[in-house]
Amino acid sequence: GAVVSQHPSWVICKSGTSVKIECRSLDFQATTMFWYRQFPKQSLMLMATSNEGSKATYEQGVEKDKFLINHASLTLSTLTVTSAHPEDSSFYICSAIDMNTEAFFGQGTRLTVV
Amino acid sequence: GIQVEQSPPDLILQEGANSTLRCNFSDSVNNLQWFHQNPWGQLINLFYIPSGTKQNGRLSATTVATERYSLLYISSSQTTDSGVYFCTPGANNLFFGTGTRLTVIP
Repeated sequence: GAVVSQHPSWVICKSGTSVKIECRSLDFQATTMFWYRQFPKQSLMLMATSNEGSKATYEQGVEKDKFLINHASLTLSTLTVTSAHPEDSSFYICSAIDMNTEAFFGQGTRLTVV
Repeated sequence: GIQVEQSPPDLILQEGANSTLRCNFSDSVNNLQWFHQNPWGQLINLFYIPSGTKQNGRLSATTVATERYSLLYISSSQTTDSGVYFCTPGANNLFFGTGTRLTVIP
């Protein structure tokens, strides 16, 4: 299957700073990528849909100025958590859709804001 | 969005046992996938199965799109099968249900 690489796997940052998470499709071009957030023992919550070359579509209740998404190329989408606070601590996961509409997921990023 | 119901929510099995996980969805779909989330959080693709039946080793899946459900069969379960199993219908927005948490004990 296709490979999606997410970096970093874990990050600890101070309150008030920004953190950037990268999601790359290594062996296919992904016109659409998705960003999710997952709290412990809960399901994945879709945050936004990222389309190459256009603005991301955010789900209801997700602050677009807080979670900046950029999809500048067919293989890279980034999520920046701006002015992070402890309540932003979570597990963030990206996925990318291949030409057959099958989704593949990155390894996830565990963010801890202290 | 499409509503997804998975059952059972929790399942504890003795190693070697078989099990069936069910996924019901609220609308017709042209795409359905099963994933296994391991204890480290990684989501592993199991099946891409909009309809019909597929098998991969000890796992198999069946989707009956007209009746809006899919089944995942796990045979001869192993401790490494532990984790959460998700089904996700739809292609454009992958909405997740609450999953089935499987624990396989030796």
